[in-house]
Amino acid sequence: GAVVSQHPSWVICKSGTSVKIECRSLDFQATTMFWYRQFPKQSLMLMATSNEGSKATYEQGVEKDKFLINHASLTLSTLTVTSAHPEDSSFYICSARSGEGATDTQYFGPGTRLTVL
Amino acid sequence: AQRVTQPEKLLSVFKGAPVELKCNYSYSGSPELFWYVQYSRQRLQLLLRHISRESIKGFTADLNKGETSFHLKKPFAQEEDSAMYYCALVRGGFGNEKLTFGTGTRLTIIP
Repeated sequence: GAVVSQHPSWVICKSGTSVKIECRSLDFQATTMFWYRQFPKQSLMLMATSNEGSKATYEQGVEKDKFLINHASLTLSTLTVTSAHPEDSSFYICSARSGEGATDTQYFGPGTRLTVL
Repeated sequence: AQRVTQPEKLLSVFKGAPVELKCNYSYSGSPELFWYVQYSRQRLQLLLRHISRESIKGFTADLNKGETSFHLKKPFAQEEDSAMYYCALVRGGFGNEKLTFGTGTRLTIIP
């Protein structure tokens, strides 16, 4: 089956630094990748939608200058948390979809736990 | 506004007993609904989608437009069914589909 990887699986950083998280589709080409954020014991909240070769579309309330998304190829999308602060600590999950339709499955990565000190 | 409600955060069921995980939605158009499952220490994965009308691992879910529900059911629970279950709704137009997730229900099967 389709596999999506994320790197790193966890990261601890100091307040004010930037952190990059990679999301890769290992055995398929992903026309669209999604970035979610999950707080403890809460649901996944969509942050942004990333299409290869174009600018990401951010959900309402998500700062695009804070969470930079780059989808440079059909197998890689990156999320950079810039000038991270403790409130950015969370579990970040990406997913990848090969097609454009609602019935095309999203395959999820294992997530990246970010802790900002 | 599109919304998915899973009223039960926690659900415990004895092995062999029937399971029903509730999901209600609000959506102005024709909904596309999914159930995702996350087993312990594993990633989120698709369990089933309403459009396929399939049964996966003994689970079924029927879309009830009158009650705006998409409850997940299994007649006889098994220990390996213990997991976190999320109901999800597709929103957005063609080519712009996105998932809205419910808050999830943690199912525990009691041996």
